Amino acid sequence: EPEVTQTPSHQVTQMGQEVILRCVPISNHLYFYWYRQILGQKVEFLVSFYNNEISEKSEIFDDQFSVERPDGSNFTLKIRSTKLEDSAMYFCASRGGGSNEQFFGPGTRLTVL
Amino acid sequence: GEDVEQSLFLSVREGDSSVINCTYTDSSSTYLYWYKQEPGAGLQLLTYIFSNMDMKQDQRLTVLLNKKDKHLSLRIADTQTGDSAIYFCAEAKNTGGFKTIFGAGTRLFVKA
Repeated sequence: EPEVTQTPSHQVTQMGQEVILRCVPISNHLYFYWYRQILGQKVEFLVSFYNNEISEKSEIFDDQFSVERPDGSNFTLKIRSTKLEDSAMYFCASRGGGSNEQFFGPGTRLTVL
Repeated sequence: GEDVEQSLFLSVREGDSSVINCTYTDSSSTYLYWYKQEPGAGLQLLTYIFSNMDMKQDQRLTVLLNKKDKHLSLRIADTQTGDSAIYFCAEAKNTGGFKTIFGAGTRLFVKA
């Protein structure tokens, strides 16, 4: 069964460093998303992406964040200068055209020290 | 505004039914979802209901939607220890980016 994959499963970084979280969405999906979940808190929407453009973003998704689909398979989230409060589980999701189901990856746990 | 509220904990005995409740604020939500998250794992879509439906049944799962009260519930029949997890209620609209708004999750404990 096709699934969304994410790498790495756990990333540890120093405050101020750049990180890139990687996702491989389901191959024929057209819509891509990033969410985050701070430990013990809600899953929060960050950004949605379609046709090589951001279609919607939340207040959390400030200038420190960017997304890219560098090739036909990967979808990345970059945090330019990480802060302690960026420590969270980051989930990628994808959705097929005409579907209302988002399929989530297993997440990347980001720890900022 | 967009907000989804759930109770935080529920404890049931194995074999009993579990009912997890959720309220949401956005009356224009098109889809309402239940996701399951097991420890250390991602989000698994369990079931969803369109906003123009009242009820959906899928094996042991029954979703009830009261659109007037903006209340959604998930009933798990014959709850098993393997059902122990966090259950997230979520809503989405078929507009713009189709972002999904999640509740804080209800942690279900199933006692043997």
